Amino acid sequence: KQEVTQIPAALSVPEGENLVLNCSFTDSAIYNLQWFRQDPGKGLTSLLLIQSSQREQTSGRLNASLDKSSGRSTLYIAASQPGDSATYLCAVLYTGTASKLTFGTGTRLQVTL
Amino acid sequence: NAGVTQTPKFQVLKTGQSMTLQCAQDMNHNSMYWYRQDPGMGLRLIYYSASEGTTDKGEVPNGYNVSRLNKREFSLRLESAAPSQTSVYFCASRGTGQGFNSPLHFGNGTRLTVT
Repeated sequence: KQEVTQIPAALSVPEGENLVLNCSFTDSAIYNLQWFRQDPGKGLTSLLLIQSSQREQTSGRLNASLDKSSGRSTLYIAASQPGDSATYLCAVLYTGTASKLTFGTGTRLQVTL
Repeated sequence: NAGVTQTPKFQVLKTGQSMTLQCAQDMNHNSMYWYRQDPGMGLRLIYYSASEGTTDKGEVPNGYNVSRLNKREFSLRLESAAPSQTSVYFCASRGTGQGFNSPLHFGNGTRLTVT
């Protein structure tokens, strides 16, 4: 079964710390992988999309990497801020699944003062 | 720039009642999706529409119907609500500029409680 796993489920870090969120997937035959941010009571906001042929994508303080052979992606957040507190979800578009994304259950991040 | 708009934001139904969740996007996107989000289970795809005039089942379609009214609007209908359908429902859309490599855009969700 094609699955996506995110560990840990929750993470608390002090402001200013660099941190890494992890996402693992079970099948290397993917079209792309997306990282989303979800604030409480809100929808999902796309942060980064890494195509199958790419190794990483960067946006501001965010850097996402992709290693298909090991079935892993990481989201690196530099110099974390309290405003980064949210739930971060990754989603994989496996090949042959039309446009059906498979989502992880997310990592809830709290950045403390 | 509204993006993806969902109505209503909150709804409480009694078992057996019916309702329609509305979704509209103003980005001229071809593909639209309905997901449900439950604690500990992630987002699961209910139905999707790859283009105007087409709809397909997702992972959890039982108990739901959809209508792609036009390119902008994609509605989700619960014909006879059940407590198991208590969830947060999200509509999303995707453009065609980069095909499947276009990111998804989500609405803010409808929080549905069935008693």
